[in-house]
Amino acid sequence: DTEVTQTPKHLVMGMTNKKSLKCEQHMGHRAMYWYKQKAKKPPELMFVYSYEKLSINESVPSRFSPECPNSSLLNLHLHALQPEDSALYLCASSQVLGKRGAASTDTQYFGPGTRLTVL
Amino acid sequence: DAKTTQPNSMESNEEEPVHLPCNHSTISGTDYIHWYRQLPSQGPEYVIHGLTSNVNNRMASLAIAEDRKSSTLILHRATLRDAAVYYCILMKIQGAQKLVFGQGTRLTINP
Repeated sequence: DTEVTQTPKHLVMGMTNKKSLKCEQHMGHRAMYWYKQKAKKPPELMFVYSYEKLSINESVPSRFSPECPNSSLLNLHLHALQPEDSALYLCASSQVLGKRGAASTDTQYFGPGTRLTVL
Repeated sequence: DAKTTQPNSMESNEEEPVHLPCNHSTISGTDYIHWYRQLPSQGPEYVIHGLTSNVNNRMASLAIAEDRKSSTLILHRATLRDAAVYYCILMKIQGAQKLVFGQGTRLTINP
């Protein structure tokens, strides 16, 4: 099974709502990622988790709150978003080779994304 | 992060080979060259990667220049399913995993 699943596929929310995006993989990968992709633009990294610990935060605003409750799940909690946060949110996972806590250059497997619209 | 430069778009015909170039003149000795592609309405998918030697897999071939300042992704016989945005990305062999996507090349395949 080389699949990364993401739910929901589409999400529409108001600026005062709280919602969560979910990502799941069962490949035994210990690194998981959130990317944001605006229309006609390349994906941009938001967060990296390695062994369930946050290892990279690319200066993302606090209205985005990641959580990695176990090695198979990754959540992105959303609160007080702005219309400019509307985008495709992609989750990915990869193996972690090398020393503990340091991610590898192994292949990243991406989910299909959640298309978020903030009204 | 070392930068890559790719043409914005390319066009080819079905069942013909496609050569997608990438320049990475500031590549360092610890950078691997990765290629991903993103089909319409899908997440990116891994295509191939290499360090110094040319690489082949079932999807494509990767030709790396001797000085490593450029590389070419080769699709041997393009199909309509190969229409996608192709990203050339440099990644370190140590430290945090971080895919930094450039603008990529939008490949159109004509039937």
